[in-house]
Amino acid sequence: DAGVTQSPTHLIKTRGQQVTLRCSPKSGHDTVSWYQQALGQGPQFIFQYYEEEERQRGNFPDRFSGHQFPNYSSELNVNALLLGDSALYLCASSLARKANYGYTFGSGTRLTVV
Amino acid sequence: GQSLEQPSEVTAVEGAIVQINCTYQTSGFYGLSWYQQHDGGAPTFLSYNGLDGLEETGRFSSFLSRSDSYGYLLLQELQMKDSASYFCAVRLSGAGSYQLTFGKGTKLSVIP
Repeated sequence: DAGVTQSPTHLIKTRGQQVTLRCSPKSGHDTVSWYQQALGQGPQFIFQYYEEEERQRGNFPDRFSGHQFPNYSSELNVNALLLGDSALYLCASSLARKANYGYTFGSGTRLTVV
Repeated sequence: GQSLEQPSEVTAVEGAIVQINCTYQTSGFYGLSWYQQHDGGAPTFLSYNGLDGLEETGRFSSFLSRSDSYGYLLLQELQMKDSASYFCAVRLSGAGSYQLTFGKGTKLSVIP
């Protein structure tokens, strides 16, 4: 049973560029959340998608946007990249009706902005 | 707002028992979760306390006291592979609240 799959695993971008990160949730999960994790810190919530809608957003600027597709996979887009956007981006999937229980995380995409 | 406080680092000996504490300030939440993350890896769900008391899963136990705004993760019979970062996390209660808020994590080093 495949868990959460994220691509790419590593990415180097130049300041000002745009990036798209992709996530396939665990089989049977219908909800996808995106987190940003800086080195030595806990994951910070970016947003969550359910039924192809963004249903909650964390304290991130509009440069961060996302999408969920009918097959529950999701994309995270970041425009006008800043050096401070360098981080590990984690995707987590869950089942909406069991939201209080464990999220399944992917191994993340390591984004470096130069 | 909400905040979760954890010790930044803990060191323990292989075979011993270690407790990682988490204190929080939130207005209301559904429960306290714990995640493990090895360097370069994905956070992995360990346990969830929806109610006060102790939950046991193999070598791991987790405890919650809402009245004390406090919880902990207890790891027994420590193994070298338990060296990792451990995060407590809460999901706030309320309509439209779905995000999981994480502490900054505790880096556990298990030494021989």
